[in-house]
Amino acid sequence: NAGVTQTPKFQVLKTGQSMTLQCAQDMNHEYMSWYRQDPGMGLRLIHYSVGAGITDQGEVPNGYNVSRSTTEDFPLRLLSAAPSQTSVYFCASSYSLLAGGRETQYFGPGTRLLVL
Amino acid sequence: AQKITQTQPGMFVQEKEAVTLDCTYDTSDPSYGLFWYKQPSSGEMIFLIYQGSYDQQNATEGRYSLNFQKARKSANLVISASQLGDSAMYFCAMREAGGSQGNLIFGKGTKLSVKP
Repeated sequence: NAGVTQTPKFQVLKTGQSMTLQCAQDMNHEYMSWYRQDPGMGLRLIHYSVGAGITDQGEVPNGYNVSRSTTEDFPLRLLSAAPSQTSVYFCASSYSLLAGGRETQYFGPGTRLLVL
Repeated sequence: AQKITQTQPGMFVQEKEAVTLDCTYDTSDPSYGLFWYKQPSSGEMIFLIYQGSYDQQNATEGRYSLNFQKARKSANLVISASQLGDSAMYFCAMREAGGSQGNLIFGKGTKLSVKP
């Protein structure tokens, strides 16, 4: 199993450009999430999905769009990049996110995004 | 109010000694899970240990143990016999029953440096 894969590893954008961060998992996980990590802030949830065709917003969803057409893929779209979106983006997946459940989230290697 | 608080931005420990990384949490849900992740300088998120709110015993995983004090709402990570490879950022996280379908809420992290 490749686990959770993310592409690209690093990207530089100009303000106003759009792009899609790719995320794929081969573990047949139902749950997938996108987090962003900023210095001194920990990880914050952007969007998540509990299954194909179902998505919802997290803590910091503004400026991002997601869709989940297959179990395997969960792309994150930046509609019009802003310098405030400079961050490291992590995709994660899990079998279940039931409260109290032992199932951990498996994280991808991250995408470093720089918006100029 | 912060749901996960890690009060130690940075910690130093001598190689082969034990170290405790602090984590306090805030939730009104009776069912929740607590996680610790390690993030080395390479950037990936590595799951270390899990503690459920109903678990009677403190979790242990090799050199990692979790000092769970439910009444005080603390879930400190103890690393025994520190190794140079333990130098990394450590994040405490919580999964609640409510909120974003059980996604993780992260603290801001503690940077651990192990001295030879």
